[in-house]
Amino acid sequence: AQSVAQPEDQVNVAEGNPLTVKCTYSVSGNPYLFWYVQYPNRGLQFLLKYITGDNLVKGSYGFEAEFNKSQTSFHLKKPSALVSDSALYFCAVRFPSGFQKLVFGTGTRLLVSP
Amino acid sequence: DAGVTQSPTHLIKTRGQQVTLRCSPKSGHDTVSWYQQALGQGPQFIFQYYEEEERQRGNFPDRFSGHQFPNYSSELNVNALLLGDSALYLCASSPAPGQGPYEQYFGPGTRLTVT
Repeated sequence: AQSVAQPEDQVNVAEGNPLTVKCTYSVSGNPYLFWYVQYPNRGLQFLLKYITGDNLVKGSYGFEAEFNKSQTSFHLKKPSALVSDSALYFCAVRFPSGFQKLVFGTGTRLLVSP
Repeated sequence: DAGVTQSPTHLIKTRGQQVTLRCSPKSGHDTVSWYQQALGQGPQFIFQYYEEEERQRGNFPDRFSGHQFPNYSSELNVNALLLGDSALYLCASSPAPGQGPYEQYFGPGTRLTVT
């Protein structure tokens, strides 16, 4: 069965410092991988995706993610955090064929302090 | 270009009642998926509609049903509400399957509270 793990419930980082939000997955084959962000009382906003090719994927708002097939990881990164980045981040996976069910992790709350 | 819209924003129902939630997909999208997000959890897939048919279903009981209309909008119906159905219900839209690895675009959600 497909599963996604986000091992940290919360990540704390000071503004201006680099941030990493971790994600590992357990899926056979070559899944598509996604990161979404959720602000309070809002839906999910798409940040970036990995389909194939370069292991470093760049997305919205300066975020990027590094795909590592051997470690089945897809960690979200940003070189310099902003207070406005504070939100709930979800990693998700889906199979490349057929219909498009997304399997989400439990989410990681990012708190960026001034 | 309007994104995914959902109505109502909030809803309070009593245990045993029935509820209908509505979703209009992003312009150009014809596939609609529904997710349930309980407090403190990640979204859980309920089902997906394409060409007015349910194409894939998650691990949800038959009390959860849906419909897709010719204009691609969709409804989620939940019968015999339980306290555990209290959650944020998210609708997501995307282009038709097979058109590429497109991401799903999510609406703001409907917050359902069952008392």
